[in-house]
Amino acid sequence: AQKVTQAQTEISVVEKEDVTLDCVYETRDTTYYLFWYKQPPSGELVFLIRRNSFDEQNEISGRYSWNFQKSTSSFNFTITASQVVDSAVYFCALRRTGANNLFFGTGTRLTVIP
Amino acid sequence: DAMVIQNPRYQVTQFGKPVTLSCSQTLNHNVMYWYQQKSSQAPKLLFHYYDKDFNNEADTPDNFQSRRPNTSFCFLDIRSPGLGDAAMYLCATSRGFRDRGYEQYFGPGTRLTVT
Repeated sequence: AQKVTQAQTEISVVEKEDVTLDCVYETRDTTYYLFWYKQPPSGELVFLIRRNSFDEQNEISGRYSWNFQKSTSSFNFTITASQVVDSAVYFCALRRTGANNLFFGTGTRLTVIP
Repeated sequence: DAMVIQNPRYQVTQFGKPVTLSCSQTLNHNVMYWYQQKSSQAPKLLFHYYDKDFNNEADTPDNFQSRRPNTSFCFLDIRSPGLGDAAMYLCATSRGFRDRGYEQYFGPGTRLTVT
C-alpha cells in the first residue's frame, strides 16, 4: 500500500526565514515517483518538482530546494528566505510506476508573515 | 500558453439537480483526471481517462460519471448532487506513459455549492 505523511499541518514563519516542509512516504515498489505541488488560495495546484526513485540527487531551483533520502523514505522541501507569496498549502505526492493516480499527503499550510 | 481550463469556476446547483462541469486542455495530453477536494483535505481521485479508456476508482460513487468526447475535452456529470458533494473539483492532465511517472497539470478548479 502507498502512503504519504506530512506531519506538519500548519507552519507559520516570518518573512525571510527559511522553512522546511517534511514528507515521509511508504511504498513497497522499487520504482516510484515523488512530487511536490503548491496550492495557493486561488485553488489551482501548481506543479513544483518530480523526482524518480533512482535519482537521489538533491535539487535546487531558486529559493526552493529538495532533499530526497531513500534510506529514510523522505522527500523534504526547503524554502530559503521565505516571502509572503509563498503562503499556500503544499502537497507531497507519490505515484507508482505503471499507475496513473497520485497518492497525496494531507498537505502543510504555510503562512509567511510580513 | 498551454493550459488546463475549467468552466465554470463557481457552480451553484440545487439538491438533486444534475450538473455538468467541464474541462479542456491545450497540452495535447492523453490522460485526463477528475479529482474531488473537500475543505482542508487532499485531492481525491474520482476517475481518469487514458486516451478513450475510462478508469473508475473503486470508491467513486455511481452518482459521478464522466465523458471524454475528444482528446481536448472531459466532462464530469453529477447525476443527483447531495449536500456532501459540495467541494472543489479539479481537472488534471498528464502525458500517458505509465512507466515514466509524468507530472500532472491541474486546472484552476470548479467550486461546487449544493443548496
